[in-house]
Amino acid sequence: KAGVTQTPRYLIKTRGQQVTLSCSPISGHRSVSWYQQTPGQGLQFLFEYFSETQRNKGNFPGRFSGRQFSNSRSEMNVSTLELGDSALYLCASSSQQAGYTFGSGTRLTVV
Amino acid sequence: EDKVVQSPLSLVVHEGDTVTLNCSYEVTNFRSLLWYKQEKKAPTFLFMLTSSGIEKKSGRLSSILDKKELFSILNITATQTGDSAVYLCAGPFTSGTYKYIFGTGTRLKVLA
Repeated sequence: KAGVTQTPRYLIKTRGQQVTLSCSPISGHRSVSWYQQTPGQGLQFLFEYFSETQRNKGNFPGRFSGRQFSNSRSEMNVSTLELGDSALYLCASSSQQAGYTFGSGTRLTVV
Repeated sequence: EDKVVQSPLSLVVHEGDTVTLNCSYEVTNFRSLLWYKQEKKAPTFLFMLTSSGIEKKSGRLSSILDKKELFSILNITATQTGDSAVYLCAGPFTSGTYKYIFGTGTRLKVLA
């Protein structure tokens, strides 16, 4: 059974640009969540999508947005990038019995 | 506000030692508590705990939950250098959602 797939693995962007990250969940999982991980803040919840609807949102500015498609794949977008957005972005898909399974993450560096 | 607190923040031990990592939580609507191990990249799932007092085991790792006192512990016996990692605990504390709150983790270093 394939795991959670995140693309790309690494990204370097300049301030002011925007970026789109992609996540394909485990087959059959309908919930996809996104997290930002930084050394100082740990794992911070961004948002959760379930059946194409945003079900929960963390305390991040409106520059962070996401969506989920009918095949459960999800994208996350960050506009007007700031240096502080440099982080590991993790996507996780969920089932009731197994908790979260994380993808390998996208390492975003903003210069 | 729901929160998860882990202790200690970091720990250095020698191979063969036994370690106990702590996770306490304050929640309004507890459902389950999860433990993860994170080495270089994505956290990998260790345990999901929903019932108080029932120990879950996987090899040298075990974990137990105390819902009355609102904490969980993760034990690692006969530690090996490969156990060096950050151990995270988390919970979906709101019913009907997969919004997880993570602790800041315990960084474990096992010396040869």
